[in-house]
Amino acid sequence: QKEVEQDPGPLSVPEGAIVSLNCTYSNSAFQYFMWYRQYSRKGPELLMYTYSSGNKEDGRFTAQVDKSSKYISLFIRDSQPSDSATYLCAMMLNQAGTALIFGKGTTLSVSS
Amino acid sequence: DAGVIQSPRHEVTEMGQEVTLRCKPISGHNSLFWYRQTMMRGLELLIYFNNNVPIDDSGMPEDRFSAKMPNASFSTLKIQPSEPRDSAVYFCASTNVAGKLFFGSGTQLSVL
Repeated sequence: QKEVEQDPGPLSVPEGAIVSLNCTYSNSAFQYFMWYRQYSRKGPELLMYTYSSGNKEDGRFTAQVDKSSKYISLFIRDSQPSDSATYLCAMMLNQAGTALIFGKGTTLSVSS
Repeated sequence: DAGVIQSPRHEVTEMGQEVTLRCKPISGHNSLFWYRQTMMRGLELLIYFNNNVPIDDSGMPEDRFSAKMPNASFSTLKIQPSEPRDSAVYFCASTNVAGKLFFGSGTQLSVL
């Protein structure tokens, strides 16, 4: 079993839809959870950063972490064509110099 | 700030040749990461440095790969000899906050 599992998609939605992106993981020791967005031919950029379980909201984006189920989600409200990108979940054990483990990414396409 | 700068942007070489990828991290960042991205395997950590010291190189595929960070503003990833299976996008990232990585635009490597 891979450490981090993410459905690669592609996921296609119309503009204005609510999008749900998800990852599961196997290592219950992960404490920090991130979502990165990657546009075509660009490097990933940090979108959301959360610690432990719970929700975090930033504009149209909401990140959820359920450590009991080892499941994290990213919700995008009122999706826009500019949201079309690949979304990668990432996680790490702690802040003491450990590196991120990434999911393979889900490709999202939002049509106008 | 110009962000993380990688060069070259594209590299096409023949099997057996030496390849050197370069990275200039963001000034003030004390951690530097080299990742490799392919469709099959996603984003894989190759090696990372803290304060110019290699911390974890367990992701380096084999002895053909080597990485150096001679000072806080420069790092190289070298492949010698290169093989077709090394073809991928290589990303450099830097940070001074664990988990909040800033990625460069990547080097697209093609080994023929």
